[in-house]
Amino acid sequence: AQTVTQSQPEMSVQEAETVTLSCTYDTSESDYYLFWYKQPPSRQMILVIRQEAYKQQNATENRFSVNFQKAAKSFSLKISDSQLGDAAMYFCAYRSGNQGGSEKLVFGKGTKLTVNP
Amino acid sequence: GAVVSQHPSWVICKSGTSVKIECRSLDFQATTMFWYRQFPKQSLMLMATSNEGSKATYEQGVEKDKFLINHASLTLSTLTVTSAHPEDSSFYICSASGQGAWRSQPQHFGDGTRLSIL
Repeated sequence: AQTVTQSQPEMSVQEAETVTLSCTYDTSESDYYLFWYKQPPSRQMILVIRQEAYKQQNATENRFSVNFQKAAKSFSLKISDSQLGDAAMYFCAYRSGNQGGSEKLVFGKGTKLTVNP
Repeated sequence: GAVVSQHPSWVICKSGTSVKIECRSLDFQATTMFWYRQFPKQSLMLMATSNEGSKATYEQGVEKDKFLINHASLTLSTLTVTSAHPEDSSFYICSASGQGAWRSQPQHFGDGTRLSIL
């Protein structure tokens, strides 16, 4: 079974600085997707960024980028120029990409990010 | 972008009553819907996966007679918490994934339902 580990229960960053959230995963599959979701106090689940395992290029979305190391099974999220609105719980998630495989998401336990003004 | 509507957003009811939560995909056909439960300061815990027109698949430890899931159409799934008790109080979230070209897209989440049983 696949597992996702987020080793940092809490992180903090100064406004305008850069922070990196860690995520590692375990799988025997070769085709899969990785996601970072943000959950602010409103508890909405907001997709931040997505990475296909077959793509070597790291995904980026404006101030958000990932460092995807497939061999190391690592998928960290970098937030640049942090803003107060980035404060939230961040969840790393895995989904199988195999045809006929499970579509369910496997979540890590989350990292609570605090942004200090 | 794809929108998933979840209703109600907050419900308070007496112990022993049954509560129904709806999850609708508004602009795509959701072949698969997922129901999660989230305790305070914890991650999402998958309760069950439902496919349109078939019985839901429950995760280990989830009581299927307590949490009834129906996915009768490609746009609607419902979760009914039967004979609810205070320990069922929690935050419940649904998500949906589509067919065809949508399958490569990430799951789309509803805004969640806060359930409080008195």
